[in-house]
Amino acid sequence: DTGVSQDPRHKITKRGQNVTFRCDPISEHNRLYWYRQTLGQGPEFLTYFQNEAQLEKSRLLSDRFSAERPKGSFSTLEIQRTEQGDSAMYLCASSLLASGTDTQYFGPGTRLTVL
Amino acid sequence: AQKVTQAQTEISVVEKEDVTLDCVYETRDTTYYLFWYKQPPSGELVFLIRRNSFDEQNEISGRYSWNFQKSTSSFNFTITASQVVDSAVYFCALSEAEYGGSQGNLIFGKGTKLSVKP
Repeated sequence: DTGVSQDPRHKITKRGQNVTFRCDPISEHNRLYWYRQTLGQGPEFLTYFQNEAQLEKSRLLSDRFSAERPKGSFSTLEIQRTEQGDSAMYLCASSLLASGTDTQYFGPGTRLTVL
Repeated sequence: AQKVTQAQTEISVVEKEDVTLDCVYETRDTTYYLFWYKQPPSGELVFLIRRNSFDEQNEISGRYSWNFQKSTSSFNFTITASQVVDSAVYFCALSEAEYGGSQGNLIFGKGTKLSVKP
């Protein structure tokens, strides 16, 4: 089994630009989560999908953020009009919804730097 | 409100020492899950263990052991005979159970950075 993959691994952008990140979950995992981690902190939940349905969004997910999972497989996270405060590691995790086995497995993350 | 507290920000030990990482959690739910993840310098979070709130049995996996005590809302992690490769940031996390018993999103502590020196 290949693990969760994320692309790109690093992204440097200028303030005001739009960026898009991609996450490919573990094959057959029907749940996909996005988290954000800033330096010295634990990851914070942003949103999650079950198949193609976005079931929950955190208050952290401002209007500039949008996530999709159009076919229930890979997901994209877009940030519009980036701000310096958006600089963080964006982590994706996937799990298989089944009793007792829906542990979340994480990808390597995309590190975003907004100049 | 749900919360996870890892009071130890950084711990430094010498190889072969035992070390315990503390985790205290808060939740109003009776059904919940607790986790430990390891984040080595490469950055990827590695799953270590998951416990549900009804199973207070301690667990041992090689040099790793976990002590879950509902009475004190703690889920501590001990590494026996530490090694340099154990150097990483360790996160404790909590998830409340959804309808049907599945886990929800994870609430993480701030992590404990463990440095094991040779």
